[in-house]
Amino acid sequence: EAQVTQNPRYLITVTGKKLTVTCSQNMNHEYMSWYRQDPGLGLRQIYYSMNVEVTDKGDVPEGYKVSRKEKRNFPLILESPSPNQTSLYFCASSWRVTATDTQYFGPGTRLTVL
Amino acid sequence: GIQVEQSPPDLILQEGANSTLRCNFSDSVNNLQWFHQNPWGQLINLFYIPSGTKQNGRLSATTVATERYSLLYISSSQTTDSGVYFCAGEYSGGGADGLTFGKGTHLIIQP
Repeated sequence: EAQVTQNPRYLITVTGKKLTVTCSQNMNHEYMSWYRQDPGLGLRQIYYSMNVEVTDKGDVPEGYKVSRKEKRNFPLILESPSPNQTSLYFCASSWRVTATDTQYFGPGTRLTVL
Repeated sequence: GIQVEQSPPDLILQEGANSTLRCNFSDSVNNLQWFHQNPWGQLINLFYIPSGTKQNGRLSATTVATERYSLLYISSSQTTDSGVYFCAGEYSGGGADGLTFGKGTHLIIQP
């Protein structure tokens, strides 16, 4: 089954404790990206990657890191999480090297930083 | 970046009713997509519609790129249509390759 998977689905952590949210897709998509969703703000892009070893900042990249060592995986890293990073996070992928193709979303990761 | 405005922000309807959701863009967009987020948080792509009209069952969408808006039509609403509907587009003027989302229309279909 074609899908985008994220882990964990739910995470409660404390300020400053490094964490990684994994994202994997099995569709051989070139483009992958991370979004955060906050009440009243919709979805905002954090980082995106057009291909292996190619990543770039989205609208709200502060406090986040990403890597794209393999085509299928695009982990989101919070080196020192803070309470304002409490949010619902989505990973997405698409066929082509831009976001203009149909986006497929993962199930979401609900993160709470205390 | 571009601004994406969706209307109405909230909509409550009875089962069987029809509805029209609107999405306006502040500038030209290369492509436009509509998504549905169900009450469990899952985001599903409904339409990839840079221009013209598409239909999928009870749902259809129309984008008028020259006037920078898109409409999503839902006919004969069912309770499973409840959730938040987002539109998103990418600025055609170049720069960062990312979708800008609207804040969504929260739709509640009552039985």
